[in-house]
Amino acid sequence: EVQLLESGGGLVQPGGSLRLSCAASGFTFSSYTMSWVRQAPGKGLEWLFGISSSGGDTYSADSVKGRFTISRDNSKNTLYLQMSSLRVEDTAVYYCAKIGQPDYWGQGTLVTVSS
Amino acid sequence: EIVLAQSPATLSLSPGERATLSCRTSQYVSNYLAWYQHKPGQAPRLLIYDASKRATGIPARFSGSGSGTDFTLTISSLEPEDFAVYYCQQRTNWPLTFGGGTKVEIK
Repeated sequence: EVQLLESGGGLVQPGGSLRLSCAASGFTFSSYTMSWVRQAPGKGLEWLFGISSSGGDTYSADSVKGRFTISRDNSKNTLYLQMSSLRVEDTAVYYCAKIGQPDYWGQGTLVTVSS
Repeated sequence: EIVLAQSPATLSLSPGERATLSCRTSQYVSNYLAWYQHKPGQAPRLLIYDASKRATGIPARFSGSGSGTDFTLTISSLEPEDFAVYYCQQRTNWPLTFGGGTKVEIK
């Protein structure tokens, strides 16, 4: 059974940092490009980052460029999202996903940025 | 960045009715367009990829059409479980982008 399990979310103050993890199982993680997607309260889906199977290439949305970074450890079947200089508007549910047929998505982890 | 415009923002229909959702892209995306269904508290669910191919396990009442810049998702006869928000997504260029969504609500 395919599983993507996000962790690391929680409450953080504006300007703070957080690292999200996504543990993958049930498929050959090291073979696929992976993504992070978020949904802010009352808003739509926003794709944030993609990282190639080897980790050698990354792609990002302008909204988080320079503040967030994506990485992966194929030996641990884990995807990461390092978030810094967090803003109130970064409050969202963050999903890791393998986008492409087949698609795999985690259930998401909530990040709340508030003082 | 390719911008996706979905219309209408909200569609109010009754079970059994036909739903037609539109997605227009700001640039040519060939057929690299997907449709997702999203319900509160759940992960998004891929319905359609490559504009018209149903993902595994998706009922035949869901169909996609279009190419280039104009795309349509059709739900032939709404079931109670189909009331949700639907997003289109282009997979032609990085950054991948989603449309703003269409909410299909019960009339």
